[in-house]
Amino acid sequence: KAGVTQTPRYLIKTRGQQVTLSCSPISGHRSVSWYQQTPGQGLQFLFEYFSETQRNKGNFPGRFSGRQFSNSRSEMNVSTLELGDSALYLCASSLGQLENIQYFGAGTRLSVL
Amino acid sequence: QKEVEQNSGPLSVPEGAIASLNCTYSDRGSQSFFWYRQYSGKSPELIMFIYSNGDKEDGRFTAQLNKASQYVSLLIRDSQPSDSATYLCAVNIRDDYKLSFGAGTTVTVRA
Repeated sequence: KAGVTQTPRYLIKTRGQQVTLSCSPISGHRSVSWYQQTPGQGLQFLFEYFSETQRNKGNFPGRFSGRQFSNSRSEMNVSTLELGDSALYLCASSLGQLENIQYFGAGTRLSVL
Repeated sequence: QKEVEQNSGPLSVPEGAIASLNCTYSDRGSQSFFWYRQYSGKSPELIMFIYSNGDKEDGRFTAQLNKASQYVSLLIRDSQPSDSATYLCAVNIRDDYKLSFGAGTTVTVRA
């Protein structure tokens, strides 16, 4: 069974640009969560989608947005990039039940210059 | 108060010893508890999850949960150099479909 797939693996952008990251969950998983990981802040929750609906959102500015498609694939968008957005962006998928057992993809490392 | 706190480490143990990692959480309504292992430059890998009070064993790993004390721990028996990594404690706070993570404890197993 294939795991969680994130593309691209690496991105280099400049301030002010926007970026779109993609995540394909494990087959059969309907929930996709996004996290930002930085050395200073650790792993922070961005948002969670289930059946194309955002069920929860973390404390990030509106520049961070996401969506989920009918095949459960999800995209995350960051607009007007700032230097502080440089981070490892992780996607995790789960069945979407309350137990919330999440499996992570390899991540997308974003560098903003 | 942070939602999830871990002993900061780093933790250095000799090969073959037991590594003990601790985690406390603030919300008594928390229902699910997870331990992830993260090697440097890699993404977190799920190694254990536990829902009920008591111990849960999987190979060399044992997770212990005490909801009354709001405490979850991970024991790594017969530690190997390949266990050298950062261990992240994660808690599912009530039913809000998100995991809150601790800052992680870095473990180094000395050969």
